[in-house]
Amino acid sequence: NAGVTQTPKFRVLKTGQSMTLLCAQDMNHEYMYWYRQDPGMGLRLIHYSVGEGTTAKGEVPDGYNVSRLKKQNFLLGLESAAPSQTSVYFCASSYTRGQGRTDTQYFGPGTRLTVL
Amino acid sequence: EDKVVQSPLSLVVHEGDTVTLNCSYEVTNFRSLLWYKQEKKAPTFLFMLTSSGIEKKSGRLSSILDKKELFSILNITATQTGDSAIYLCAVLNQGAQKLVFGQGTRLTINP
Repeated sequence: NAGVTQTPKFRVLKTGQSMTLLCAQDMNHEYMYWYRQDPGMGLRLIHYSVGEGTTAKGEVPDGYNVSRLKKQNFLLGLESAAPSQTSVYFCASSYTRGQGRTDTQYFGPGTRLTVL
Repeated sequence: EDKVVQSPLSLVVHEGDTVTLNCSYEVTNFRSLLWYKQEKKAPTFLFMLTSSGIEKKSGRLSSILDKKELFSILNITATQTGDSAIYLCAVLNQGAQKLVFGQGTRLTINP
């Protein structure tokens, strides 16, 4: 049981390049999330998904797109990277609320992205 | 808009001291408050609180929620250098599927 995994762990991009971050979970969670973490800012939600084929915007969605084609995977795309997107990106997943299930989100190890 | 504010933002103490971290919130239709510990990588879950006045405890860590005054505290007694981390507080409202996080408190324990 690997939990939540993210690839890649590190990446350096030039301004204008594109890339996709992959998140995978093997806990059969319905909900998945993408956050970015910048110094002194805590975790800010980029996009999230409440189920396969559905996505929604979070607090800071501009410049990012997501897709959830399979329940276990959640992809985060940067179409044209900017230096302001230099950050650490975390993926998380959780169960649907209710039925006695915890609200806890389980986090992946993070991806450190630098945009030059 | 839901909001979480943590204080202090940074705290440096000596090993063996007791610390109290604060989390205040404004959220429509509160459901739960969660505490996480973040060392070098991913945040790890500590506590989930839903009811006022009921202390959650795990070893030297404990937490309590006050739904009337809209805050929670996280206590760590007899601190150790391994307690050095960022501590994150987050809240969830009944209608939303997403957590709102505070800025975090960076705790440093010096030997």
